[in-house]
Amino acid sequence: GNSVTQMEGPVTLSEEAFLTINCTYTATGYPSLFWYVQYPGEGLQLLLKATKADDKGSNKGFEATYRKETTSFHLEKGSVQVSDSAVYFCALEDSSYKLIFGSGTRLLVRP
Amino acid sequence: IAGITQAPTSQILAAGRRMTLRCTQDMRHNAMYWYRQDLGLGLRLIHYSNTAGTTGKGEVPDGYSVSRANTDDFPLTLASAVPSQTSVYFCASSDSSSGHNEQFFGPGTRLTVL
Repeated sequence: GNSVTQMEGPVTLSEEAFLTINCTYTATGYPSLFWYVQYPGEGLQLLLKATKADDKGSNKGFEATYRKETTSFHLEKGSVQVSDSAVYFCALEDSSYKLIFGSGTRLLVRP
Repeated sequence: IAGITQAPTSQILAAGRRMTLRCTQDMRHNAMYWYRQDLGLGLRLIHYSNTAGTTGKGEVPDGYSVSRANTDDFPLTLASAVPSQTSVYFCASSDSSSGHNEQFFGPGTRLTVL
């Protein structure tokens, strides 16, 4: 069946450090892929998405590229800020348009 | 524009009691979803509705029921709460008519069953 695997957290970085959060998926076909972010005490909100192979989603300095060869959708940011501290969820959209989420990765950025 | 609202914000409930979590959206989205979020497990789909009048079971539907009488409202009911239903519950909605679409999430309801 479909599934998403994310690196376990928490990830702790200093401000301006480079961020990578790994995400791999198992699915039939080529599903759309998403990164959602959850700030403390809030619901999830879409960060970026990619709908086909080799697409790059980007938003707020974050990027992720849909790699069908490695079934991956790793999240990157060149220089993190304290305000990026949150939980990040990778997700895929199945054939009936429902989302399947990874377990989430908590990011803590220290000043 | 409110987006999605959920009520209550939090609740402590005795085991065996009945509880309804409310969810309302004002975006006229056709699809709505209920998830539970548990540490280390991410979000798991409980029930969904692709359009008013229809509902479907998600990954963890046991112990929960939903209804979709109209486009805006999608209440989740726990008929007889058990401690394993202690969780944070999120409602979401989307315009899923063509896929690849963003789901919009409410702020969540933190439920504790004692």
